[in-house]
Amino acid sequence: EVQLVQSGAEVKKPGESLRISCKGSGYSFTSYWISWVRQMPGKGLEWMGRIDPSDSYTNYSPSFQGHVTISADKSISTAYLQWSSLKASDTAMYYCARQPSGDYWGQGTLVTVSS
Amino acid sequence: QSVLTQPPSVSAAPGQKVTISCSGSSSNIGNNYVSWYQQLPGTAPKLLIYENNKRPSGIPDRFSGSKSGTSATLGITGLQTGDEADYYCGTWDSSLSAEVFGTGTKVTVL
Repeated sequence: EVQLVQSGAEVKKPGESLRISCKGSGYSFTSYWISWVRQMPGKGLEWMGRIDPSDSYTNYSPSFQGHVTISADKSISTAYLQWSSLKASDTAMYYCARQPSGDYWGQGTLVTVSS
Repeated sequence: QSVLTQPPSVSAAPGQKVTISCSGSSSNIGNNYVSWYQQLPGTAPKLLIYENNKRPSGIPDRFSGSKSGTSATLGITGLQTGDEADYYCGTWDSSLSAEVFGTGTKVTVL
């Protein structure tokens, strides 16, 4: 069974760093890209970027380029999304999804940034 | 700000049909496949339609997709209360080199 399992909810302060994860199982992790999608409270879906786990090539949305970093460790079938300095406006639910068709999604990781 | 436009809401009685439009441009819908996602309250999005009109295994044929030019449409027939959700279209935008989603449509079963 294909699964994407994300790390748990996080509560952080502005300026702190954070890395959340997405672990794939039940398929060849290096055969599909992983995308990250943001959903702010009460809002729609926003594509942040994607990574090819086979070679860690990344592709970012212009809206998120420079604000987050996407990485992967193919040895443990895990993709990551990280921030070096969080802002209150980063408060959102974050999903990973298998690409290209978006056929499997993680359960979401809620990130709350508040002083 | 999304580059794909959807109506904010549609509604119909149980058993009826609804259609949801997704309007884009030649850089996205016009030259790339469209997917549709259903997001039930409090859950992750779920793929309903891929490559414009294909249904993943387990998706009932009450859900259908089509594309014409720079627009795409999701149809839901035999509407059920369990279909109340937000629906999003998505595609690749060749100019942005990014995946883009529609603004989202809330389906209400009256």
